[in-house]
Amino acid sequence: SQTIHQWPATLVQPVGSPLSLECTVEGTSNPNLYWYRQAAGRGLQLLFYSVGIGQISSEVPQNLSASRPQDRQFILSSKKLLLSDSGFYLCAWRLNVGIGELFFGEGSRLTVL
Amino acid sequence: SQKIEQNSEALNIQEGKTATLTCNYTNYSPAYLQWYRQDPGRGPVFLLLIRENEKEKRKERLKVTFDTTLKQSLFHITASQPADSATYLCALDEGSSNTGKLIFGQGTTLQVKP
Repeated sequence: SQTIHQWPATLVQPVGSPLSLECTVEGTSNPNLYWYRQAAGRGLQLLFYSVGIGQISSEVPQNLSASRPQDRQFILSSKKLLLSDSGFYLCAWRLNVGIGELFFGEGSRLTVL
Repeated sequence: SQKIEQNSEALNIQEGKTATLTCNYTNYSPAYLQWYRQDPGRGPVFLLLIRENEKEKRKERLKVTFDTTLKQSLFHITASQPADSATYLCALDEGSSNTGKLIFGQGTTLQVKP
């Protein structure tokens, strides 16, 4: 069966520090991968998606970046965090053919101080 | 501009009643629409998917309707239970590419009281 792992679960970072969130998927090949952010009391905002290794599409201009160095690995990064980067970050995957649901990780709670 | 809207106010109902949540959208032509459940501090979990050519979909106590003329989906939970308390998100996909991007509403929080 397929599983998705996301880490770290919680982190507190000072303004200006770097960020790296990692997500891996098991049990499937060539999935579509997504990073969403959820601010407190808000809906999910799509940040990045990837349909293949090295292929990254950005939905919202910001100081975040994403990379997909391997088929089932998706990384969200920042060189210098801003206060506004605080939020709940969710990685998700789905099959790359047909229609179907998203499978979400457990999320990473980021607080920038 | 494109918008997908859910009732931002929490919905409080008594156990055993039917909960009805609304999802409205503008300036989208979704090929299908999905509903997810999200518990506090957790990732959303898929519940139901309905295609543009389907009027209604059921799964156990859940029912979803999709009216492309009204640009609205309704999500019903019959015989609601306290365990149904959560935030429910609707999401739509225009289906025009293989990206599989879903655009989410802000969610409606349901509280079922015993």
